[in-house]
Amino acid sequence: GENVEQHPSTLSVQEGDSAVIKCTYSDSASNYFPWYKQELGKGPQLIIDIRSNVGEKKDQRIAVTLNKTAKHFSLHITETQPEDSAVYFCAAIHLKAAGNKLTFGGGTRVLVKP
Amino acid sequence: SAVISQKPSRDICQRGTSLTIQCQVDSQVTMMFWYRQQPGQSLTLIATANQGSEATYESGFVIDKFPISRPNLTFSTLTVSNMSPEDSSIYLCSVEKGGYGYTFGSGTRLTVV
Repeated sequence: GENVEQHPSTLSVQEGDSAVIKCTYSDSASNYFPWYKQELGKGPQLIIDIRSNVGEKKDQRIAVTLNKTAKHFSLHITETQPEDSAVYFCAAIHLKAAGNKLTFGGGTRVLVKP
Repeated sequence: SAVISQKPSRDICQRGTSLTIQCQVDSQVTMMFWYRQQPGQSLTLIATANQGSEATYESGFVIDKFPISRPNLTFSTLTVSNMSPEDSSIYLCSVEKGGYGYTFGSGTRLTVV
């Protein structure tokens, strides 16, 4: 089955700096890679996703890149703000495959210091 | 995307008892998913619930411990049975809706004492 590794497990940045979280996956058939943000006491919220036919996607201050050859994808947050402090999870799945299910990375706790 | 309402949001239960968690979606979905998130950990899939059929459980999870109902296309329940302190976790339901990705409910924070 799919295995997703996520690094780092914790990340502390100064407000205004950039934050980068990296994930690797094992199943070359995976074709959908979402990123979730989980704030304290809340469920995970989808913040951005990318499909395997795209190398990069941006949405305001966040961007995701995908390298299919190396089987890794990354989340980039620019101009970090205190409200970006949360736990971030990457995930991977082969959409349309029978019994498909999201496999999550271990999570990254991001702290943005004012 | 779908909007999910999950109840209760939190509960404190005595060991040996059972708790049923409800998940209501604002639109019809084929599959609903139940996850467990242990303290400080990532999300682990418990089972996939399809309407009109038995839930499919992941390795390490059994129907006797986590019975699931899926009576229609907008509702599901997960019961945590014969609870022990090790069952203290956040339980989350999730759906995938028409290409909008996987949406999660706000979770049920369960503490077993």
